[in-house]
Amino acid sequence: GAGVSQSPSNKVTEKGKDVELRCDPISGHTALYWYRQSLGQGLEFLIYFQGNSAPDKSGLPSDRFSAERTGGSVSTLTIQRTQQEDSAVYLCASSLVSGQPQHFGDGTRLSIL
Amino acid sequence: SQQGEEDPQALSIQEGENATMNCSYKTSINNLQWYRQNSGRGLVHLILIRSNEREKHSGRLRVTLDTSKKSSSLLITASRAADTASYFCAPVETSGSRLTFGEGTQLTVNP
Repeated sequence: GAGVSQSPSNKVTEKGKDVELRCDPISGHTALYWYRQSLGQGLEFLIYFQGNSAPDKSGLPSDRFSAERTGGSVSTLTIQRTQQEDSAVYLCASSLVSGQPQHFGDGTRLSIL
Repeated sequence: SQQGEEDPQALSIQEGENATMNCSYKTSINNLQWYRQNSGRGLVHLILIRSNEREKHSGRLRVTLDTSKKSSSLLITASRAADTASYFCAPVETSGSRLTFGEGTQLTVNP
């Protein structure tokens, strides 16, 4: 079956622009997670969805970052007024239920010029 | 949530040798998970060990858990060049949902 799909795989944009990153989780997975990984670093948690609600959004670094999930499936991470420090790989993961093994997409590599 | 701390940061071995990576954490856990990340890819789940388990095997992987020392180890036996990757541990708290990762162990297996 299909794994977690993220699009685009690469995004280059100018500082100040808004970007939208998409995640298609594995069908039937109720939990969805967004992480950020800077060059050579570990993963930084951003937000967790259970169904369409986000019980834990404590990792979002600023109010320029937002995310939503619709239909208990697709999720979009939006970064407004991008800054150079937003450059990173943004990874999405899903799991059948929270606390269980997570399945990761290959990420979106975001570069802010 | 809590972060796992992997040790060593980097490990370089020859093909056929065994590789051991360690993980320490700070508070009570429900389970602990190990993941692998190949360069430019997402993480791949390797193995989950529950807090009431002491050892678990999966193929060439052996994971141990010592809750009294709040530590875990991942052993890869008879390593292959394809095992070259970063390895991360993720302790999951009893009421936890998210995974929190350290900076991982970068394993290089030389042919």
